[in-house]
Amino acid sequence: QKEVEQNSGPLSVPEGAIASLNCTYSDRVSQSFFWYRQYSGKSPELIMSIYSNGDKEDGRFTAQLNKASQYVSLLIRDSQPSDSATYLCAVIKDSNYQLIWGAGTKLIIKP
Amino acid sequence: EPEVTQTPSHQVTQMGQEVILRCVPISNHLYFYWYRQILGQKVEFLVSFYNNEISEKSEIFDDQFSVERPDGSNFTLKIRSTKLEDSAMYFCASGQFTGMGSTDTQYFGPGTRLTVL
Repeated sequence: QKEVEQNSGPLSVPEGAIASLNCTYSDRVSQSFFWYRQYSGKSPELIMSIYSNGDKEDGRFTAQLNKASQYVSLLIRDSQPSDSATYLCAVIKDSNYQLIWGAGTKLIIKP
Repeated sequence: EPEVTQTPSHQVTQMGQEVILRCVPISNHLYFYWYRQILGQKVEFLVSFYNNEISEKSEIFDDQFSVERPDGSNFTLKIRSTKLEDSAMYFCASGQFTGMGSTDTQYFGPGTRLTVL
């Protein structure tokens, strides 16, 4: 079992709709969770972080964490074509602060 | 806003040659990382560096690779004898962590595209 799993997609969402991205992780000791966005040929860019159960909102983005079920999700409201990218889920689980990465979900927002 | 910088943005080299990729982390960060990403594939961890020594390295980071923090600002990745399969984007990242259960994380530089011919 992979440590961090994501559906590779592509996930196609109409412009203006809500995009929902999911991530599961295997290690219960995982502490902090992150969503990065990566445009093709560019470096990963942090868009959301969360470490407490529940929801965390930042503008059009909402991160949701459920440690009992070991999943973390990212909702993007009012999706825009510029949101088209690969979204990477990452987890920190130990004191080396090393990120464990999912393979990423490719999101396509259709005008 | 502080950011991680990397030079060069693109490096072309012949197989067997040595390359040095350079990174300037964010100034108050103490944790440094190198990743690579082969075209179309996922980001792969290479090495982490803290307190002037390697704290963790992956299987990819073999004897051909080395890292250095030669001064207070630079962090370098050296590949001694490049192979065709080393062609990839190389990302440097840095972080300042205050403890577990926080949302401290790593911030990435723009990357160096390495092409080995």
